[in-house]
Amino acid sequence: GDSVTQMEGPVTLSEEAFLTINCTYTATGYPSLFWYVQYPGEGLQLLLKATKADDKGSNKGFEATYRKETTSFHLEKGSVQVSDSAVYFCALSSTGFQKLVFGTGTRLLVSP
Amino acid sequence: DVKVTQSSRYLVKRTGEKVFLECVQDMDHENMFWYRQDPGLGLRLIYFSYDVKMKEKGDIPEGYSVSREKKERFSLILESASTSQTSMYLCASSPAQEGTHGYTFGSGTRLTVV
Repeated sequence: GDSVTQMEGPVTLSEEAFLTINCTYTATGYPSLFWYVQYPGEGLQLLLKATKADDKGSNKGFEATYRKETTSFHLEKGSVQVSDSAVYFCALSSTGFQKLVFGTGTRLLVSP
Repeated sequence: DVKVTQSSRYLVKRTGEKVFLECVQDMDHENMFWYRQDPGLGLRLIYFSYDVKMKEKGDIPEGYSVSREKKERFSLILESASTSQTSMYLCASSPAQEGTHGYTFGSGTRLTVV
């Protein structure tokens, strides 16, 4: 079945460092791909998405590119802030289906 | 601002109680979902619904039931609460079209069963 694999956390960075959180997937067809963010004590918020190969999703300085050849959707940010500390979830939605499959989440901790 | 509203942020219930978690969305979405979130286990789908009065089991439905009498409201019911059901519960909704939209989540209900 469809699955999403994320890198283990926590990822610990200093403010202004470069961020990469790896995400790879297994799916039939052409899934849509998503990154969600969860701040402490809150629900998940959609951060960005890409619906076809080579699309780049971007929001709030975060970017991710849909790479079909490597089945990946890595999240990047050029300069993280303390306020980016949260848990990040990668997810996919398979063609024709409306259920999302989530990765296990990666916690990001940014120190001043 | 579109919303998914969960009725309680924190709940404490006793073992054996019947517990109702309520979720309301104002986006006219057809699809609604209930997840639980536990450390190290990520999000696990309990039940979902594609339409009024329609429900389908997710990955971990045991010990839970749901009700969807109106399009905007999706209730999760713990028939007899147990300590193993202590968790964060998240409700989400999405429109009916093919899954390029993603979900809108509520803020979550942290349930403690004592």
